[in-house]
Order: sequence, then structure tokens, then C-alpha cells
Amino acid sequence: DAGVTQSPTHLIKTRGQHVTLRCSPISGHKSVSWYQQVLGQGPQFIFQYYEKEERGRGNFPDRFSARQFPNYSSELNVNALLLGDSALYLCASSVHTGTGPYEQYFGPGTRLTVT
Amino acid sequence: AQSVTQPDIHITVSEGASLELRCNYSYGATPYLFWYVQSPGQGLQLLLKYFSGDTLVQGIKGFEAEFKRSQSSFNLRKPSVHWSDAAEYFCAVGEVLTGGGNKLTFGTGTQLKVEL
Repeated sequence: DAGVTQSPTHLIKTRGQHVTLRCSPISGHKSVSWYQQVLGQGPQFIFQYYEKEERGRGNFPDRFSARQFPNYSSELNVNALLLGDSALYLCASSVHTGTGPYEQYFGPGTRLTVT
Repeated sequence: AQSVTQPDIHITVSEGASLELRCNYSYGATPYLFWYVQSPGQGLQLLLKYFSGDTLVQGIKGFEAEFKRSQSSFNLRKPSVHWSDAAEYFCAVGEVLTGGGNKLTFGTGTQLKVEL
């Protein structure tokens, strides 16, 4: 079975531009989360979506937005890029969201470089 | 707010030696704990998890971890390390959010080097 897929693998943008990153969850998974991993640090939570609704948001500015589509795939958008947005962006999928914990499975990530 | 501390930034062990990676967490409620491994340029692979029950949990690739509530720790162990285990290891605590979502809070990671 295919795991979580992300596109593109790498991209380079200039300060002030915007970027769209894409994620397809594991088949049967309905929840998608986004994380930012700056070099040398652990991943930081950005968003979680389930059934096209935002279910959680981390401490990121409004320049970051996301959405989930009916097929459960997701996009992460970042506007007005800053040098500090350079990072590995990870998407994770899980079976469901609810009152209990669940496992999150990560994709390979998109490496964003802002120059 | 929840937090995770991984005291060791780098660890070097010889192939065949035992391994223990330390993880301490801060979380007010029952913690949901995870260990992930990340190879260079790759995403994260789940090694094991603790939700409840037996405090010694077994994972993939021969790894195990022990939850100790009194010490707020969830250390990862392997009895005999293989060269292919060289990677970065992340401990994480899961939190259920008010909106019904879940989020993971990660430590800063421990880079494992294996000497042949």
C-alpha cells in the first residue's frame, strides 16, 4: 500500500512569494496534519484537518493556511515567504480524529528553500 | 503546555552494543508517547507508541521503550545496535486538542552514530 505522498519534493522560492505544498494521505485515512521541521530541530505542529474542517492549529502566523479536499488530500499555503520559512514540511495522516490518541504516519516531506 | 526533552544531542555506540536514548516529558494529563526515527532527508517512521497498559512497549526493528510515570520518562532501548540504526531519533508526546484534533510535540532529537 502507498504511504503518505507529498509534492513537490524540493522547491526554491524568493522572499515575498507564496507557495503551495500538497499531501495525499494513506488510503482510508481521513485526517491530515502538517508540521514544519527547521534544520536541527524537531517537527512543530502547524495544522490538523479532518473531514475538511480545521481541528487544530499551532503557533504559526496567518501567512500559513491549509485546506482539505473531499478526497482527504490537503494543501498547505504559505504567503509572503520569509527566509525563516525555509524548512522541511512534513505531512502526516491518521485514521481518524476523536477523543482518544492515534498514530500519525508521516510522508517524506517537501524541502522548501527561501532565498 | 506539554514539552519533551531529549538530553542527548549526539550518541555514538559500537555495532552490537546496547543502546538507551533518553526522553523526559512534561504533560499534565495521561501522556500519549511516541518514538520516531528519521533517516537523512527522509520523513519520520513510527517505531513504537504508548497509550496505556503495559509500561514496557515493543516496537519495530527490535526497539522497546519503558514508560515511567514517576520519572516522567519514556526511554528507548535496543539490546544490540546494527549499523543501519544510525539515524535521528525523536520522542514525542501526543495531545488531544479542544477542537477534537491531535497534535504531536517533539523533542529536539538525538543523533545516533554507529561505529563499526
